[in-house]
Amino acid sequence: GNSVTQMEGPVTLSEEAFLTINCTYTATGYPSLFWYVQYPGEGLQLLLKATKADDKGSNKGFEATYRKETTSFHLEKGSVQVSDSAVYFCALNDYKLSFGAGTTVTVRA
Amino acid sequence: EAQVTQNPRYLITVTGKKLTVTCSQNMNHEYMSWYRQDPGLGLRQIYYSMNVEVTDKGDVPEGYKVSRKEKRNFPLILESPSPNQTSLYFCASSKTITETRAKNIQYFGAGTRLSVL
Repeated sequence: GNSVTQMEGPVTLSEEAFLTINCTYTATGYPSLFWYVQYPGEGLQLLLKATKADDKGSNKGFEATYRKETTSFHLEKGSVQVSDSAVYFCALNDYKLSFGAGTTVTVRA
Repeated sequence: EAQVTQNPRYLITVTGKKLTVTCSQNMNHEYMSWYRQDPGLGLRQIYYSMNVEVTDKGDVPEGYKVSRKEKRNFPLILESPSPNQTSLYFCASSKTITETRAKNIQYFGAGTRLSVL
């Protein structure tokens, strides 16, 4: 079956630091890949997505590239802000959404 | 404003007392789903519905029921709640399930935090 594995947290960074959250997947078909973000006390919001190999999703300074050869979809941001503190979920969609366990990111001023 | 609305946001109950968590979407979406979020486990799908009167089990359906009598509503029913159902619950919806289903974005409600004592 389909599954998503993402790096465990928590991750604590200083403002303006570089953020990477690793995500790898297992899928039998050709899924779309997503990153969702959950801010404290809120539901999940779509951060970015990629629907086919080599696609790059980007939003709010975050980027992730769909790498079929390494079955990966790592999330990166070059300079984080305190407002980026949240839980980040990698997910794949192949008929239904399968989520990773989530990575808690805390950015300190 | 397009949204998925869940109620209540917080609920404390006791073992065995039936409860319902409501979910409503105003986007005319065909597909709706319930998830539970537990530490270290991410989100796991409980039930989903592809359209009115069409529901199916997700990964963790035991102890839950759902119904889809109208397109906009998808309530989650716990007939006899137990402490292991203490969790954070999310309802989600998306436009459709078709051959382009993999591209559909799911929209989430704000969550319902349930404690069963």
